[in-house]
Amino acid sequence: DTEVTQTPKHLVMGMTNKKSLKCEQHMGHRAMYWYKQKAKKPPELMFVYSYEKLSINESVPSRFSPECPNSSLLNLHLHALQPEDSALYLCASSQGRRQGYGYTFGSGTRLTVV
Amino acid sequence: AQKVTQAQTEISVVEKEDVTLDCVYETRDTTYYLFWYKQPPSGELVFLIRRNSFDEQNEISGRYSWNFQKSTSSFNFTITASQVVDSAVYFCALSAPLGTDKLIFGTGTRLQVFP
Repeated sequence: DTEVTQTPKHLVMGMTNKKSLKCEQHMGHRAMYWYKQKAKKPPELMFVYSYEKLSINESVPSRFSPECPNSSLLNLHLHALQPEDSALYLCASSQGRRQGYGYTFGSGTRLTVV
Repeated sequence: AQKVTQAQTEISVVEKEDVTLDCVYETRDTTYYLFWYKQPPSGELVFLIRRNSFDEQNEISGRYSWNFQKSTSSFNFTITASQVVDSAVYFCALSAPLGTDKLIFGTGTRLQVFP
C-alpha cells in the first residue's frame, strides 16, 4: 500500500459547524503533515507530526486542531471556520523528518466554508 | 534564505510538442534535495523525481527528463512528445535545512496540452 487516503473528498460547512478531516497511511511512515492550498498557489505547511507528536505548528489559528491518534492516522478538527479558510487541504507522509525523504501526498479534501 | 522560482506561470502547447519547465533555486546549504511534483485537476500531488545536490547526472524516465545544473542553480524538467494527459500544474520544490522539515515550493507552472 503506497497511498495516503483522505476523507472526505469534498466538504461544505457553515461557520458554526464542527467537522473533521481524516488522513490514513499504511506505509509505516513516521512523519505526517497537513498542508493548505489556495487556488493557483503552492501548498503551505500547517502542521507536522513526527512519531505521533506535534513537532511543527506554523502559527495556524486555533480553529484548526490537529490530532494524531496513532502512527497511521492524522485528523484535522475544524471549528468556527471563516470563508477565507476555503481551500484544498492536503495530507502527506514521509519516512521521517530527515531532509530529502520527500512526501507522499493524498488527493486532498476540498473544503468550502459558507 | 531558500527560494524556488518558476518563472513560467502558464504554458500552452499542442500535443506531440516538447516542452521544458524551468526551475531556479536559491540555497546556502551544501546538501539539499530537489523535487518535481505534478498536480492534475483531481488535486493530488504526484511525486515525479528527487535529486540530491551531489548527483548532477541527468535523468530520463520515459518521456520525462530532468537537467540539474548546480552552476546555474537550475533543475529543469522536459516532457518530450507531450500528451493531453500531461496537462497539470507542475511544482518544483527544495528541501529546507535539516531539522526544519519543510519543502519550499515554487509557485508552479500550469501546463495545458491541446489535442
